[in-house]
Amino acid sequence: EDQVTQSPEALRLQEGESSSLNCSYTVSGLRGLFWYRQDPGKGPEFLFTLYSAGEEKEKERLKATLTKKESFLHITAPKPEDSATYLCAVGAGSYQLTFGKGTKLSVIP
Amino acid sequence: EAQVTQNPRYLITVTGKKLTVTCSQNMNHEYMSWYRQDPGLGLRQIYYSMNVEVTDKGDVPEGYKVSRKEKRNFPLILESPSPNQTSLYFCASSLGPGIYEQYFGPGTRLTVT
Repeated sequence: EDQVTQSPEALRLQEGESSSLNCSYTVSGLRGLFWYRQDPGKGPEFLFTLYSAGEEKEKERLKATLTKKESFLHITAPKPEDSATYLCAVGAGSYQLTFGKGTKLSVIP
Repeated sequence: EAQVTQNPRYLITVTGKKLTVTCSQNMNHEYMSWYRQDPGLGLRQIYYSMNVEVTDKGDVPEGYKVSRKEKRNFPLILESPSPNQTSLYFCASSLGPGIYEQYFGPGTRLTVT
């Protein structure tokens, strides 16, 4: 059974304080790893797809990386508007995505 | 604008009264899916569809039905809602499962009393 674990569950940062979110996974045959941002009461918003170990993708203050067992979402010099829940999901052999429970990020001015 | 739409956005109903939540996408995606999101449990897949007339169960299908008669539409049907189906529901679509990202609708908040 595919499993996705995200840590920490919640993270409070001061504005400008860089940090990383972790997504560890156990799947048979990774097809893609996905990062989403979700604001309260809204649908998840797609951020990145990673397909193979060593791959990296960047968007503004966010950078996602992938190894054979985990992915990191690095947040550089975060701003209050980066506050959200960040979800990780994996696609493997089945026709489904398996989601982690998310990391709730709060960036304090 | 490429999007997934859901209706209604908010719904309060009573136990046993059949309801349908509609979902439509304008991206010509073959794959569509329904999720429910509950505090502490995350996003869980209810049903998915690979294409027209092709549907299959996800992780939590009990108490739900779906149909895919047209490529763009994928309604979720609760024939006899119960209070444990109170949740936030999301429809999503993608070019294909597992490899391509899914695009989510805005959500439907359902309360069953």
